Amino acid sequence: ELKVEQNPLFLSMQEGKNYTIYCNYSTTSDRLYWYRQDPGKSLESLFVLLSNGAVKQEGRLMASLDTKARLSTLHITAAVHDLSATYFCAVDAYNQGGKLIFGQGTELSVKP
Amino acid sequence: DGGITQSPKYLFRKEGQNVTLSCEQNLNHDAMYWYRQDPGQGLRLIYYSQIVNDFQKGDIAEGYSVSREKKESFPLTVTSAQKNPTAFYLCASSRMFGPYEQYFGPGTRLTVT
Repeated sequence: ELKVEQNPLFLSMQEGKNYTIYCNYSTTSDRLYWYRQDPGKSLESLFVLLSNGAVKQEGRLMASLDTKARLSTLHITAAVHDLSATYFCAVDAYNQGGKLIFGQGTELSVKP
Repeated sequence: DGGITQSPKYLFRKEGQNVTLSCEQNLNHDAMYWYRQDPGQGLRLIYYSQIVNDFQKGDIAEGYSVSREKKESFPLTVTSAQKNPTAFYLCASSRMFGPYEQYFGPGTRLTVT
């Protein structure tokens, strides 16, 4: 059974600091997705990572995928308050017709 | 504009009543999904459908039912058998073949008293 674990689950950081959210998964997959959820809102797609070594960047966020280690990271550079949200990673469950397995989510709070 | 719509945004019901949540997409996606999210929690898959007239149970299907009569529509019925129906319900869709990036609707917040 494919399991996806994120850590940390809660992250409080100061503006201007850097930090990394980790997403580990338990079986072979080379397709991983990152989503953002603002309080009371739906999920918004951030990054789609489709191969080993894939790296995507958007503003202060950078996501990478290491399929050999079964690990993806979401790196935050010089955090700003607008990045406060919950971030989910999700992994493609092969042979299950598009079913994604989601991590528990990381609640990020960026304080001045 | 292509996207997914869910209605209503907020829904209030009395215990013992069935209620149907609407989900429509115009992305021409074959697959559609229903998730439940409780406060401070992740997403739990209720049902998913890869093609019209076919659907599979997810991890928490008990007390829920779905239909897929049209490619664009995947309504979810929360029945009176669902013991704790108050939650945020999210519908999503994706292509049939990878990558399976899922696109989410705005959600329906259901409160049952």
